[in-house]
Amino acid sequence: DIQMTQSPSSLSASVGDRVTITCRASQSISSYLNWYQQRPGTAPNLLIYAASSLQSGVPSRFSGSGSATDFTLIISSLQPEDFATYFCQQSYSTPPTFGQGTKVEIK
Amino acid sequence: QVQLVQSGAEVKKPGASVKVSCKASGYIFINYGISWVRQAPGQGLEWMGWIRGYSDKTNYAQKLQGRVTMTTDTSTNTAYMELRSLRSDDTAVYYCARWVVTTSDDVFDIWGQGTMVTVSS
Repeated sequence: DIQMTQSPSSLSASVGDRVTITCRASQSISSYLNWYQQRPGTAPNLLIYAASSLQSGVPSRFSGSGSATDFTLIISSLQPEDFATYFCQQSYSTPPTFGQGTKVEIK
Repeated sequence: QVQLVQSGAEVKKPGASVKVSCKASGYIFINYGISWVRQAPGQGLEWMGWIRGYSDKTNYAQKLQGRVTMTTDTSTNTAYMELRSLRSDDTAVYYCARWVVTTSDDVFDIWGQGTMVTVSS
């Protein structure tokens, strides 16, 4: 199975901050990388697919980049509703696997 | 609108079985697959398997082989996940998600609200 490792595991930030989350795959996954946001007590929500494509309805302050083994999710200006946990997920091979999550907390 | 609505919370004893339903609406059910993902309390996301909408072709996570069965009822646009021989470490929120296969990626684009399954004696 392909292992997905996110960093950091958690971070504290203020409203308006630029936030960067990284995800590393244990082998090359081309651009088969998705990002999800999960607010407490709710289901995950798709933000970014194919490494850099913004899902319909997702604010443009979210962006994704990367290929092969290294990927990045950027929130350009953190908003109150963005405090949540973020997961990366590879769809290059079965089984699809998720990173352990990055919790974004209020500073 | 496109949505998946899951059945309610369950409490089961070790060794029992649980069957969770996931009713789809707002799209052509047979054109998409359904995947099941679970999340133990305070933990990450674990893929359990998927079933294609237009057939009963399934693919299960290796660790659950022999204990899990996924089915669909195309007459009611409902997917089901049954897990048998429950153990305490099966305690988790179980999610269904619409599985979209494209030329550039496979994604889980719509998720159900989750079903809490508690396994306790």
